[in-house]
Amino acid sequence: DTEVTQTPKHLVMGMTNKKSLKCEQHMGHRAMYWYKQKAKKPPELMFVYSYEKLSINESVPSRFSPECPNSSLLNLHLHALQPEDSALYLCASSQERAGQPQHFGDGTRLSIL
Amino acid sequence: AQSVTQLGSHVSVSEGALVLLRCNYSSSVPPYLFWYVQYPNQGLQLLLKYTTGATLVKGINGFEAEFKKSETSFHLTKPSAHMSDAAEYFCAVSSGGSNYKLTFGKGTLLTVNP
Repeated sequence: DTEVTQTPKHLVMGMTNKKSLKCEQHMGHRAMYWYKQKAKKPPELMFVYSYEKLSINESVPSRFSPECPNSSLLNLHLHALQPEDSALYLCASSQERAGQPQHFGDGTRLSIL
Repeated sequence: AQSVTQLGSHVSVSEGALVLLRCNYSSSVPPYLFWYVQYPNQGLQLLLKYTTGATLVKGINGFEAEFKKSETSFHLTKPSAHMSDAAEYFCAVSSGGSNYKLTFGKGTLLTVNP
């Protein structure tokens, strides 16, 4: 069983819709991450939150908007997505120390119509 | 800057045979190294990690990896493959610091033949 929980597991949305992906962890980790993974590719880092503050934005388009309401929750708000945004979106968390591994959720499979 | 090269995008072994997945890294500072496994329709699961200390690292499911600084390698091995080992394997490096970014290799798909 994964210790990082992502909902929903699957999401189909049109290009004009607004939806949100949710991620929750209760391991006391203070660093949380969003990744995008296309088929047969490694995960690509999108955002990093450290102590609920955005510390890294990897030049992600503004149609993706992250939010960290508290130390256990991470959201990714989606608006006006494009078909090429269809992918597996992974959330991860880690302790705030160098060398600590990231723990991943099972992801949300997103399809844009 | 840091980078990871996984030699072989696809490795095929027979059940019971040795598994060897190759990973070479580049890092300007002492690296932290990780192997992750991804089963279909799942996220990444940590197999093992190297931070400091013993260079032979044991992980879950019978896997182990050896950190060789002189060869800048961190190859993953398992003495005897099982059908359930079929998955995508990613090697990753982190240089630490304040951003905790992971750099992944392109992945190796392991298939296990009966």
